[in-house]
Amino acid sequence: DAGVIQSPRHEVTEMGQEVTLRCKPISGHNSLFWYRQTMMRGLELLIYFNNNVPIDDSGMPEDRFSAKMPNASFSTLKIQPSEPRDSAVYFCASSLGGASSPLHFGNGTRLTVT
Amino acid sequence: AQSVTQPDIHITVSEGASLELRCNYSYGATPYLFWYVQSPGQGLQLLLKYFSGDTLVQGIKGFEAEFKRSQSSFNLRKPSVHWSDAAEYFCAVGAVTNAGKSTFGDGTTLTVKP
Repeated sequence: DAGVIQSPRHEVTEMGQEVTLRCKPISGHNSLFWYRQTMMRGLELLIYFNNNVPIDDSGMPEDRFSAKMPNASFSTLKIQPSEPRDSAVYFCASSLGGASSPLHFGNGTRLTVT
Repeated sequence: AQSVTQPDIHITVSEGASLELRCNYSYGATPYLFWYVQSPGQGLQLLLKYFSGDTLVQGIKGFEAEFKRSQSSFNLRKPSVHWSDAAEYFCAVGAVTNAGKSTFGDGTTLTVKP
């Protein structure tokens, strides 16, 4: 079990550029979550998928953010165009689904937008 | 809707001392409760979980938690803290939906004094 794999670990980009964060969930998990963590706002749920279908994207801050899950083993979170206030650590997590299933987190992507 | 409150933002204890981190939840049905730990630069890791049965649950790294329905609490304890326990701790409640969206508390940062 390799765990949830996120790439890149660090991303530094200039304002206005497109940023794509990637996530490979644990094999067999059918729920996938994208979180954002900042000092000011703590841990925020952006979007989650079940069986590759977006279930709740109410946490996505604005239209500049989009997420896809084309298959059970891959998801992306895209920010276009990026802004300095998007600087944060972005976590992907997966689970077997259901209220009793704990989340397995990746090590995150630290995004810095200058 | 469910909610989780961690009243203590920051706690400092001496190495070898006992620890208790508080967690209060609000949920209309029997909750699924979790404690996670986040070390610097890493994602959240599951410490323990409660679904039903024995209200005292054991977790990894010597942690335990007690579910008290009458107080809507799920406090985390450790008899003797080690310096390596310094981290941020999150309490979470699981939602009874197919996708298993969890609600997280704001976290408690633990500092361990030598």
